Amino acid sequence: DTGVSQNPRHKITKRGQNVTFRCDPISEHNRLYWYRQTLGQGPEFLTYFQNEAQLEKSRLLSDRFSAERPKGSFSTLEIQRTEQGDSAMYLCASSINRAGAKNIQYFGAGTRLSVL
Amino acid sequence: AQSVTQLGSHVSVSEGALVLLRCNYSSSVPPYLFWYVQYPNQGLQLLLKYTTGATLVKGINGFEAEFKKSETSFHLTKPSAHMSDAAEYFCAVSDRGGGFKTIFGAGTRLFVKA
Repeated sequence: DTGVSQNPRHKITKRGQNVTFRCDPISEHNRLYWYRQTLGQGPEFLTYFQNEAQLEKSRLLSDRFSAERPKGSFSTLEIQRTEQGDSAMYLCASSINRAGAKNIQYFGAGTRLSVL
Repeated sequence: AQSVTQLGSHVSVSEGALVLLRCNYSSSVPPYLFWYVQYPNQGLQLLLKYTTGATLVKGINGFEAEFKKSETSFHLTKPSAHMSDAAEYFCAVSDRGGGFKTIFGAGTRLFVKA
């Protein structure tokens, strides 16, 4: 098991461009979470999936953000028309949701987005 | 609603000294509590967790934390700091009633002086 994998690790883009990040969770994990972390702050919850269903979205997730998990395995997070305020580290986590599993979340290394 | 407060954005200790990082939480349901460590340009690594049972939990790298319900605290300690402990530490509470999304504190950066 290689843990949670995120790609790319770094992304530099110009304001107004679209970007997409990918997260591959731990293979048997049915829950997948996205968080955003800005400099000097703790991660903030964005959204999460149970299998392919997106069950909750934070108010932080504006209409320019969309996340998918089409087959209940990997997930993508797309940001359209990026703004400088979108610059942050985007973290993905996965967990297994079943009785007794305690839903411990394991995090990937993150994708650092810089919007110029 | 749940929240986490970490007291002190920066803590500096000498190598070999006691490490104490403070965390207080609020939760309307019995919480799951966590400490994560983050090294520069890396993701979060789970140090330890409290879910149920014994209130003193031991984690990796010699860290431990004690859940004190009466004080709504979950402070992180290590008897003797090592240079490699220098990192950012995040206390977190899991919302068991809301999909288990995790609410993080703002973090405490630990500096270890030689």
